[in-house]
Amino acid sequence: GENVEQHPSTLSVQEGDSAVIKCTYSDSASNYFPWYKQELGKGPQLIIDIRSNVGEKKDQRIAVTLNKTAKHFSLHITETQPEDSAVYFCAASRSRVFREKLTFGTGTRLTIIP
Amino acid sequence: GAGVSQSPSNKVTEKGKDVELRCDPISGHTALYWYRQSLGQGLEFLIYFQGNSAPDKSGLPSDRFSAERTGGSVSTLTIQRTQQEDSAVYLCASSLERVGTYGYTFGSGTRLTVV
Repeated sequence: GENVEQHPSTLSVQEGDSAVIKCTYSDSASNYFPWYKQELGKGPQLIIDIRSNVGEKKDQRIAVTLNKTAKHFSLHITETQPEDSAVYFCAASRSRVFREKLTFGTGTRLTIIP
Repeated sequence: GAGVSQSPSNKVTEKGKDVELRCDPISGHTALYWYRQSLGQGLEFLIYFQGNSAPDKSGLPSDRFSAERTGGSVSTLTIQRTQQEDSAVYLCASSLERVGTYGYTFGSGTRLTVV
């Protein structure tokens, strides 16, 4: 089955700087890669996703890049703000396979230092 | 409803007791998933429903765990004879179709503590 590794487990950055979180996956057939943000006491919330037919996707201060050859994808947050502090999870799936679930990474706790 | 609703939000139970956790997905979402999140850990898949059937139960850790879904809507996760290692946050998610068509929407979870 799919295995997703995520690094780093914790990350602290100064407010206004950029943050990068990296994930690798094992199943070359995976083609859907979402990122979730989890705030304290809440369930994870989808913030951005990318499909394997594109290499990069941006949404305001958030971007995700995908390297299918190397089987890794990354989340980039620019101009970080205190409200970006949370736990971030990457995930992977073979979306064209019916009954396929998401496999999650172990999470990155991001702390923005004011 | 507007979001995925889970109840109770917190549950403390004695070791050996049975517990039921409820998930009410977004109206019209056909797919429903249960995940478990232990302290400081990632999300561990438990079971997936498409409609009322469960084509993937591969994540249920033991036969003490079971789940059902009725009317293509509400789902109940039951843990029998609870053990301390069952303590975790149990998350439910739903989606309109299979993963990749739409992302999951998660509920806020049920924090289960077995004492």
